[in-house]
Amino acid sequence: GAGVSQTPSNKVTEKGKYVELRCDPISGHTALYWYRQSLGQGPEFLIYFQGTGAADDSGLPNDRFFAVRPEGSVSTLKIQRTERGDSAVYLCASSRTGNSPLHFGNGTRLTVT
Amino acid sequence: GENVEQHPSTLSVQEGDSAVIKCTYSDSASNYFPWYKQELGKGPQLIIDIRSNVGEKKDQRIAVTLNKTAKHFSLHITETQPEDSAVYFCAATADTGRRALTFGSGTRLQVQP
Repeated sequence: GAGVSQTPSNKVTEKGKYVELRCDPISGHTALYWYRQSLGQGPEFLIYFQGTGAADDSGLPNDRFFAVRPEGSVSTLKIQRTERGDSAVYLCASSRTGNSPLHFGNGTRLTVT
Repeated sequence: GENVEQHPSTLSVQEGDSAVIKCTYSDSASNYFPWYKQELGKGPQLIIDIRSNVGEKKDQRIAVTLNKTAKHFSLHITETQPEDSAVYFCAATADTGRRALTFGSGTRLQVQP
């Protein structure tokens, strides 16, 4: 079946611009996660949704980062006033419930110039 | 919070040999330990996981062992094949209600034909 889908696969933006990254989870998965992966590192947790609500946003680095999941399915990660340090691969994962294994998408590679 | 250390950072083996990757964790409350395989340009793919009530789990050529007392767990791959070449990540979480996984820094495995 279809896995987690992330769009775009690549995004290049200029410093100071606003970007939105989209995640389509596996159908029926109630839990959704965003992670960020820098080159040569493991993924770092950003935010977790159970249904429509953000159950844990403790990993968001600052208030320039925000994520929504208005209907409990698709999620959008929003980054305001992008900085070069935001360049990374942003991974989305979903799981059937909060206690089920995570399934990752292929990520969006964000480059801030 | 949780801290996961992973060794070695790179590992080169001959086809047919075994490969072992080791991880330690800091939070004694951690109770779920998955392993992910990541190929270039792809998202992490779950290959095996273990819960704290089990000491060992095996799936064909892949096995994971867990020592709760020492707070370390290991991935064992036997009869390695060139297609096993990838980056492997261990992870741990202390929260059964949410999968805010903490990842290790990864091991790049190269299987020489």
